[in-house]
Amino acid sequence: GQQLNQSPQSMFIQEGEDVSMNCTSSSIFNTWLWYKQDPGEGPVLLIALYKAGELTSNGRLTAQFGITRKDSFLNISASIPSDVGIYFCAGNINSGNTPLVFGKGTRLSVIA
Amino acid sequence: GAVVSQHPSRVICKSGTSVKIECRSLDFQATTMFWYRQFPKQSLMLMATSNEGSKATYEQGVEKDKFLINHASLTLSTLTVTSAHPEDSSFYICSAREIMSGELFFGEGSRLTVL
Repeated sequence: GQQLNQSPQSMFIQEGEDVSMNCTSSSIFNTWLWYKQDPGEGPVLLIALYKAGELTSNGRLTAQFGITRKDSFLNISASIPSDVGIYFCAGNINSGNTPLVFGKGTRLSVIA
Repeated sequence: GAVVSQHPSRVICKSGTSVKIECRSLDFQATTMFWYRQFPKQSLMLMATSNEGSKATYEQGVEKDKFLINHASLTLSTLTVTSAHPEDSSFYICSAREIMSGELFFGEGSRLTVL
């Protein structure tokens, strides 16, 4: 099946630092989504991207849909302790009723 | 925003028993719901696509006779883990696609522990 390569696998950063993570795919995606998952809970949508080249912000979070439609990145600026969690990229290859394919996640730890 | 509720959130059962997990869309209708499984420190892996009024579509390697899916209404899909074994212990997460917008919403997950 389709796979998304997400990196880095984990990050340890100081509070206040900026963070960047990315996902790549061998296939073209129509949609890129970024989720955050806290322990014991379901994923929560952070940012959704629908057009190649699209750059979208949500507070301290910024994500971009790559021009080639095979990659996306998520940046978090001025990290705070509550940013701790696992971040997943996900995407749809086709439009319509297809399920999301998930990356393997980036585990973020913020040191106060 | 739209809410997807899963019940139970946690369940512990003995090996050999069956467990039913419900996924409800509380304020919207969904013809399609997706069931994922997540093992510790791993990503979400799609198990099956649940379609209202028809049979579910299972991913390769997922036993349809072991993981029974019923999507009897536009707001409810159920996943039944039959004859559960310890290796079925996992975090099960559903998502529902809103008919009107096509937007996808995730439930809070159900943690199954099989002793």
